[in-house]
Amino acid sequence: AQSVSQHNHHVILSEAASLELGCNYSYGGTVNLFWYVQYPGQHLQLLLKYFSGDPLVKGIKGFEAEFIKSKFSFNLRKPSVQWSDTAEYFCAVNAQHSGAGSYQLTFGKGTKLSVIP
Amino acid sequence: SAVISQKPSRDICQRGTSLTIQCQVDSQVTMMFWYRQQPGQSLTLIATANQGSEATYESGFVIDKFPISRPNLTFSTLTVSNMSPEDSSIYLCSVEDRGGATEAFFGQGTRLTVV
Repeated sequence: AQSVSQHNHHVILSEAASLELGCNYSYGGTVNLFWYVQYPGQHLQLLLKYFSGDPLVKGIKGFEAEFIKSKFSFNLRKPSVQWSDTAEYFCAVNAQHSGAGSYQLTFGKGTKLSVIP
Repeated sequence: SAVISQKPSRDICQRGTSLTIQCQVDSQVTMMFWYRQQPGQSLTLIATANQGSEATYESGFVIDKFPISRPNLTFSTLTVSNMSPEDSSIYLCSVEDRGGATEAFFGQGTRLTVV
């Protein structure tokens, strides 16, 4: 079964600081990779996703993530954070299980980002 | 995309009682999913709800504890039965296209506290 590890439980940054949130997964086959974000009081929503092609993926609100297959990583980055980026960020992996013929979506434990004005 | 309405958004319940969480989607979907997010933990899939058939439960979750209904293609309920404080968690409804590999859409969650 696949698993997802997010390295940081809580990150605190000042506005304009750069952000990188780590995500590693374990699965030997083809995967689809996601970052979801949950702003305070709101539902989980997609930030960006990688299915194939260019391993550097750009998402909404200036976020990007790079898929490094050799490292099983999909780290999230933003060059300059804003107070409005305060939220919880979840990395997720969607892998097809050939035996079951279906995809299974697995989440990391999440990283809480607090941006100080 | 899909818009999901989930209610209640939060509740405080006495141990031994049951709570039913409702999930309404603005479009017809084949599969709906129920997740649990315990404090400090990742989202854990409880079960997959298909219209017209019994829900499929993941390891560690049973129908007697978490009965699910799926009466049509836009609605589902999850009941947390005979609650204990260990059931305190956030419960999330989700839809996604599992035939392909597309994004998942989530309700806003139900924050349950059992006292």
